[in-house]
Amino acid sequence: AQKVTQAQTEISVVEKEDVTLDCVYETRDTTYYLFWYKQPPSGELVFLIRRNSFDEQNEISGRYSWNFQKSTSSFNFTITASQVVDSAVYFCALITYYGANSKLTFGKGITLSVRP
Amino acid sequence: NAGVTQTPKFQVLKTGQSMTLQCAQDMNHNSMYWYRQDPGMGLRLIYYSASEGTTDKGEVPNGYNVSRLNKREFSLRLESAAPSQTSVYFCASTDRVATDTQYFGPGTRLTVL
Repeated sequence: AQKVTQAQTEISVVEKEDVTLDCVYETRDTTYYLFWYKQPPSGELVFLIRRNSFDEQNEISGRYSWNFQKSTSSFNFTITASQVVDSAVYFCALITYYGANSKLTFGKGITLSVRP
Repeated sequence: NAGVTQTPKFQVLKTGQSMTLQCAQDMNHNSMYWYRQDPGMGLRLIYYSASEGTTDKGEVPNGYNVSRLNKREFSLRLESAAPSQTSVYFCASTDRVATDTQYFGPGTRLTVL
């Protein structure tokens, strides 16, 4: 069975601090995709990144970076020099395939609060 | 492009009332999904439609029905609302052929009294 664990439930940092959000996943499939979504206080879900199981290259996008390690089944998300606008709930998700269908499994989310 | 739209944004129902949540996407996606989000639970899949004309149950389908009206529209119906269905409901769509990334609507906040 697929599972996504986000062990941290709430993180609070002061602006300009770096923060890492952890994500550990479980799957027996060899082909899968991992995602991070952001849910700001306004409530919408914003897609941040998609990474496939064959690509372990780290990704950097501005202040955001992602570290995918298959050996530890982790897909961690780091925000450098955090800002108040980064305050949100962040979800890690795993997609796996069965036949013609796919299933997206979400972690329970990490609430990040960035204080000025 | 509007992406994924949902109506209504907010709704209050009394126990036993029925209602339909509407979802539409203009991205020509084949697959559409309904999730519910409850505090501390993440998102849980209610129903999905892999393609026009097909629907399947997700993790928490009890108390809900869906209709894939056409390629653009996927509705979720509560026949007899219960307080346990108080939640935020999200619709999503994806083009499985291209990227398999699910794009979400703005959500419907439903309260059942």
